[in-house]
Formats: sequence, C-alpha cells, structure tokens
Amino acid sequence: SAVISQKPSRDICQRGTSLTIQCQVDSQVTMMFWYRQQPGQSLTLIATANQGSEATYESGFVIDKFPISRPNLTFSTLTVSNMSPEDSSIYLCSVRSGGENIQYFGAGTRLSVL
Amino acid sequence: SQELEQSPQSLIVQEGKNLTINCTSSKTLYGLYWYKQKYGEGLIFLMMLQKGGEEKSHEKITAKLDEKKQQSSLHITASQPSHAGIYLCGAAFSGGYNKLIFGAGTRLAVHP
Repeated sequence: SAVISQKPSRDICQRGTSLTIQCQVDSQVTMMFWYRQQPGQSLTLIATANQGSEATYESGFVIDKFPISRPNLTFSTLTVSNMSPEDSSIYLCSVRSGGENIQYFGAGTRLSVL
Repeated sequence: SQELEQSPQSLIVQEGKNLTINCTSSKTLYGLYWYKQKYGEGLIFLMMLQKGGEEKSHEKITAKLDEKKQQSSLHITASQPSHAGIYLCGAAFSGGYNKLIFGAGTRLAVHP
C-alpha cells in the first residue's frame, strides 16, 4: 500500500479565484489520479497524471479548468481554476502502487466556493 | 454511475446485526473494489475481487464476486459502531485498472 498526504484538507474560496491542491506519496509511483466527489454523489475521475507527460483528462474535464502538474514520482498538484459554486466538492488523489491493480486514496480536500 | 448500481442507498442497523450491501454491474467486471469512506479520511481500501466466484474476508467483512463477474456483495457479520460509514464499490472494466467507476455508495449507520 501507499501513504498519501493531501493538502489542504479543506478550504473556503471566493468565486473567480483558483486553488491548488497538493498530493504527496511516501513512495515512487507511476500512476497518480485525481477524482472529484460532488455533494451526495460518487467519485468521478478527472484525469490521470503520469510523470514526464501531459495529464490525460476524462470527458467533461479540461486542462484550462483543472491544470495538473506531476514534477516527480512522488508528487502531483491539481489546480481548480476560476472557481464557481459548482466546483464545491471533495477532490481526492489516488495512486496505483507498484504492480498492484489497486488504487489507494488520500484523505481528500473539501472545497467550498462562495 | 449507471454502470454500477449499489443497494441499498442507506442502511440503519442495530449493533450486533448482520447486513449485506450489493453492487451490480451492467457489464463484465475486470476487477471489483470495496472501499469505506469516513468523514476526513478519504477512501479506505477494503478488498479487491477479480475471479468469478471469488470470496475474501477481513475480520467481520466478507466480499463475494458472482460467477458471471457482474455482481458483488459485501457482508458484515455482527456489526459494530466502528463499521459505520459510506461503503463504495468501484469497478475496473475493459478499459483497464486506471479508470475506476464507482457506485453511488451505501451509507451505513450502526446504533448501539
């Protein structure tokens, strides 16, 4: 398994601003993922972040709105840009560890946009 | 997700009672995952099932995958207040193990 630290754990932001969420893993991993969990709903994959290449975004998510960085094998950031109240969600990062077909998740970032 | 249906949506049980949560897919599963979510703790991995008919247990929680690999059940025996939380099933389909599709979750409350 992997230990994943996410920062911040929660934030309240004004509309029109941007927030960058950090995800740190205690071991080197190839695959990192960012998910969104809107209020009362399940998780939806935003993008897959591989080190050394552009993130791959799922349908309905675009780089301009959710830019992702993956500078090394233990760290990634997700930015939620030009926020609106509809962006209020829990954002979670996950990693696929070693040769396992299992994703381990961070504690999430609870974002409220006013 | 319509690809993965979870039932029931919520469950309230008395401590000590057994309970079952179901997860049904419209397509053949490559992998089926069970996670537990509590406030502020993200998703805690419970078990993964891959083979038809597979069954795994951890403490008082047992998960099964049917032979056709389209339905899974999570069974808790002698429930305790510590079992309370949201149980999510997640699935990997033919697209691989990177994109997991999740069910809507089952909110479990256990009353002492």
